[in-house]
Amino acid sequence: GAGVSQSPSNKVTEKGKDVELRCDPISGHTALYWYRQRLGQGLEFLIYFQGNSAPDKSGLPSDRFSAERTGESVSTLTIQRTQQEDSAVYLCASSLTTGGITEAFFGQGTRLTVV
Amino acid sequence: ILNVEQSPQSLHVQEGDSTNFTCSFPSSNFYALHWYRWETAKSPEALFVMTLNGDEKKKGRISATLNTKEGYSYLYIKGSQPEDSATYLCAFPNNAGNMLTFGGGTRLMVKP
Repeated sequence: GAGVSQSPSNKVTEKGKDVELRCDPISGHTALYWYRQRLGQGLEFLIYFQGNSAPDKSGLPSDRFSAERTGESVSTLTIQRTQQEDSAVYLCASSLTTGGITEAFFGQGTRLTVV
Repeated sequence: ILNVEQSPQSLHVQEGDSTNFTCSFPSSNFYALHWYRWETAKSPEALFVMTLNGDEKKKGRISATLNTKEGYSYLYIKGSQPEDSATYLCAFPNNAGNMLTFGGGTRLMVKP
């Protein structure tokens, strides 16, 4: 596609429910990143994919968070048993190569509100 | 955890003023330094990716310099315009190059 696409753009969910956030990166981009921004805070790294594998999952805040990527394309971030502190804007980005030497292209984000 | 610091946190300038802000990063194991602009209600957009010590990059009225030995980069905006109002973020890859750590950003507001 022309850019990084995320869906849904907004999600309101009840505490305790599971949510799935989707990211469609730019076609051919090897690296894919998930970040979140909670209110008043900076960008917090969650997870990185190199192709379909995630070498480092230590950024995920808890075991309620999981992510996968298939076909070196679409990625989903799943949050189980959502809590109010999970409310944030979740941003996905992709870049052509790994190694951090090419720019990251960001999606518009998913605004998650847990009530 | 990498320490990427940006200053100031926020900046108010008048239209036409020139301004600059700083990004500090670990000087060891340097891979690259990224600058992004994040406008309200939009997604962050890359301005520069800098890889060489002494690098200077320019895009219109915006330019950036890089000092990898002392671990800092400056972003300059010449003749600020209201449309330059945004949060400017720098980011630094970790030593495996696979995690971009972002600074807290500098929020620039340009008054007409």
